[in-house]
Amino acid sequence: AQSVTQPDIHITVSEGASLELRCNYSYGATPYLFWYVQSPGQGLQLLLKYFSGDTLVQGIKGFEAEFKRSQSSFNLRKPSVHWSDAAEYFCALYSGNTPLVFGKGTRLSVIA
Amino acid sequence: DAGVIQSPRHEVTEMGQEVTLRCKPISGHDYLFWYRQTMMRGLELLIYFNNNVPIDDSGMPEDRFSAKMPNASFSTLKIQPSEPRDSAVYFCASREGTVRQPQHFGDGTRLSIL
Repeated sequence: AQSVTQPDIHITVSEGASLELRCNYSYGATPYLFWYVQSPGQGLQLLLKYFSGDTLVQGIKGFEAEFKRSQSSFNLRKPSVHWSDAAEYFCALYSGNTPLVFGKGTRLSVIA
Repeated sequence: DAGVIQSPRHEVTEMGQEVTLRCKPISGHDYLFWYRQTMMRGLELLIYFNNNVPIDDSGMPEDRFSAKMPNASFSTLKIQPSEPRDSAVYFCASREGTVRQPQHFGDGTRLSIL
């Protein structure tokens, strides 16, 4: 069965520091992968997506993610975090069966 | 380009009352999804539609919950009778029918059952 694991429930980083949020998936073929962000009181907004080709994908708000098939991972990164990045981040997998399979989410806190 | 529109944004009602949540998907999207989000259970898929037809309602918690999509531009999620444990944020999302398209989410309805 398809699944998405986000090992970190909560991460705290200092403003200006780099960020990496982990995502591991389980799926037998090449997955389609997404990262969404949810700011407080809002719905989920798409940050970026991976379908095929270049394993490093760029998204909005300065985020990027790297697909590593050997590690079944799709980690989200940002070189310098801003206070406005504080939010919940969800990794999701599309396996060909609608709908998306979501991870449990990682809550990001940003401190001064 | 309008996104997914949900109403109301907030709903507070007493236990036993009927609650109706509404969703207008993005025009042209073939799929519509209803999710529930709580601290304890995270994001749960309740039901989804394709071309207005319910495809999978296995996530609907119990018979008190029902969803309809009478046309391509409108869907409702109804809870009758409501219970305090139904308190959550309910999201609607829609997606184009083409493979590999992302789901677009509304801002949700925050439901509180007293």
